[in-house]
Amino acid sequence: AQKVTQAQTEISVVEKEDVTLDCVYETRDTTYYLFWYKQPPSGELVFLIRRNSFDEQNEISGRYSWNFQKSTSSFNFTITASQVVDSAVYFCALSEAGAAGNKLTFGGGTRVLVKP
Amino acid sequence: DAGITQSPRHKVTETGTPVTLRCHQTENHRYMYWYRQDPGHGLRLIHYSYGVKDTDKGEVSDGYSVSRSKTEDFLLTLESATSSQTSVYFCAISESREETQYFGPGTRLLVL
Repeated sequence: AQKVTQAQTEISVVEKEDVTLDCVYETRDTTYYLFWYKQPPSGELVFLIRRNSFDEQNEISGRYSWNFQKSTSSFNFTITASQVVDSAVYFCALSEAGAAGNKLTFGGGTRVLVKP
Repeated sequence: DAGITQSPRHKVTETGTPVTLRCHQTENHRYMYWYRQDPGHGLRLIHYSYGVKDTDKGEVSDGYSVSRSKTEDFLLTLESATSSQTSVYFCAISESREETQYFGPGTRLLVL
């Protein structure tokens, strides 16, 4: 069975600091997808990124960057120069391509608090 | 943003009463999902649909049923609500099995 672990339950930083969120996953499939979602205090879930298991290139989008390493089954997320608006709960998720309906398995989430 | 609405957004009900939550999409996506979110558990899949009248169970389906009579609507029913079903319920949609799931705004349900 697939599993996603986000060991950090809460991280507190001061504005402009960098913050890295860890995500470790388990799967028996060779084809799978990894996701990050953001849940701000307003409660909605915002899609951030999707990677497939064959694409290990790191990605950068503005202040966000992602490091995908199959060798360690990790898909870590870094926010550079954090801002107060980055305060949210961030979820890592996994889906296996063979699973019907592309069901997502979520980690428990990491709450990021950025203080001014 | 994907066109997904959920209704009601908030509901308080009593143990033993039936409750139906509605998810409506305007994207004509084939796949629809219901998740519940509880502290420390992230989101867990309840049921999903891969087409009109085609549904299947997720990992926490006990006590829930679903129906999909139209592409745009996916209903989640708690036949007899229990306090353990107090949660935030999210609907999601995806264009195909491999594509990204986009989430609705959520429904906060309190069962007293």
